[in-house]
Amino acid sequence: AQSVTQLGSHVSVSEGALVLLRCNYSSSVPPYLFWYVQYPNQGLQLLLKYTTGATLVKGINGFEAEFKKSETSFHLTKPSAHMSDAAEYFCAVSGITTGNQFYFGTGTSLTVIP
Amino acid sequence: NAGVTQTPKFRILKIGQSMTLQCTQDMNHNYMYWYRQDPGMGLKLIYYSVGAGITDKGEVPNGYNVSRSTTEDFPLRLELAAPSQTSVYFCASSQDREAFFGQGTRLTVV
Repeated sequence: AQSVTQLGSHVSVSEGALVLLRCNYSSSVPPYLFWYVQYPNQGLQLLLKYTTGATLVKGINGFEAEFKKSETSFHLTKPSAHMSDAAEYFCAVSGITTGNQFYFGTGTSLTVIP
Repeated sequence: NAGVTQTPKFRILKIGQSMTLQCTQDMNHNYMYWYRQDPGMGLKLIYYSVGAGITDKGEVPNGYNVSRSTTEDFPLRLELAAPSQTSVYFCASSQDREAFFGQGTRLTVV
């Protein structure tokens, strides 16, 4: 079984401050890991993904995440928040299954304060 | 390149009515999915398909049905709408470990 836990359903940061959104997973096998962003009334857009190789993954819009197997974590960071980063962020996992299903966390709503 | 297209974008149903949410993708992806999104709950997998003619249940399949007669299309059927099915529904397709999402269908059952 796989599950994803996102700590903090709401996070507020000042413009220019560090963004840190937390994600932990549980999986019986090493999973593939993803961060998606959702802007109001839109679908989900891929920010970044980890499948194999380098554990520090860079994505779009200046975001990055680090896969830490020992901590079963995949936290999302951005050094300097921008107003346009305000959105809902979802962590997701998929495993080595025939169905290639994606399992999502409950989401973190990011507010950027000017 | 349209990606994943869902119709309709909005719909209001009365209890007991039925409807089909349409989903089509033009990326020739084998894998397709239906999710529902409820506030504070994230996305829950309803059904998925690994290719034409093959479908399987996800986490919350009750009250829904799907079919996959072609690679492109993956419609979701609600036979007897209930208030608990008020939600935003997302269709997605994937290839190479990346999922692509449609814009969603906002369904209200009254």
